[in-house]
Amino acid sequence: GAGVSQSPRYKVAKRGQDVALRCDPISGHVSLFWYQQALGQGPEFLTYFQNEAQLDKSGLPSDRFFAERPEGSVSTLKIQRTQQEDSAVYLCASSLEDRGTYGYTFGSGTRLTVV
Amino acid sequence: GQQVMQIPQYQHVQEGEDFTTYCNSSTTLSNIQWYKQRPGGHPVFLIQLVKSGEVKKQKRLTFQFGEAKKNSSLHITATQTTDVGTYFCAGSEAAGNKLTFGGGTRVLVKP
Repeated sequence: GAGVSQSPRYKVAKRGQDVALRCDPISGHVSLFWYQQALGQGPEFLTYFQNEAQLDKSGLPSDRFFAERPEGSVSTLKIQRTQQEDSAVYLCASSLEDRGTYGYTFGSGTRLTVV
Repeated sequence: GQQVMQIPQYQHVQEGEDFTTYCNSSTTLSNIQWYKQRPGGHPVFLIQLVKSGEVKKQKRLTFQFGEAKKNSSLHITATQTTDVGTYFCAGSEAAGNKLTFGGGTRVLVKP
């Protein structure tokens, strides 16, 4: 596609519910990142994939967060047993190559609200 | 861990005036990128700086990377209402590694 596509655009979850957020990167982009952005803050790194390999997951806040990119294309971020502090915008970004020379292209994000 | 700080947090600018926002990293960076996020939008890539002391210009925007590769600045001349948004710097300690974002400078332009 022309850009990075994320779905759903908005998600309201009851506390304790599991959610799955989808990211469809630009076709052919090697690197894929997930970031969490709280209101009024800068994006915080969650995890990084190079093709299907998850090379860095140091930013995942807890073992309730899990990400995968099984075929090196679409990625899913799953949050189990959601809590109120998980409320944020989840941004996905992709890059043509691992050097990021041309910057990262961000999707529009999924705004998650846990009630 | 790596920390990236930006100042000021808020910048109120009269249309037509110039301003500068600053970015400082706690560690030496491999490269630094700048992004702009409009209200309600997502970060959009502006530029990447790689070399020590590098200066790049995009129309009214001038980006600079410090000699020690630990700080950077963005200078905007003749501010316009279209410059409204939050400007983030984001540093990487290694090429292709994760970007650590600063807290951003929120720019408001008074017509």
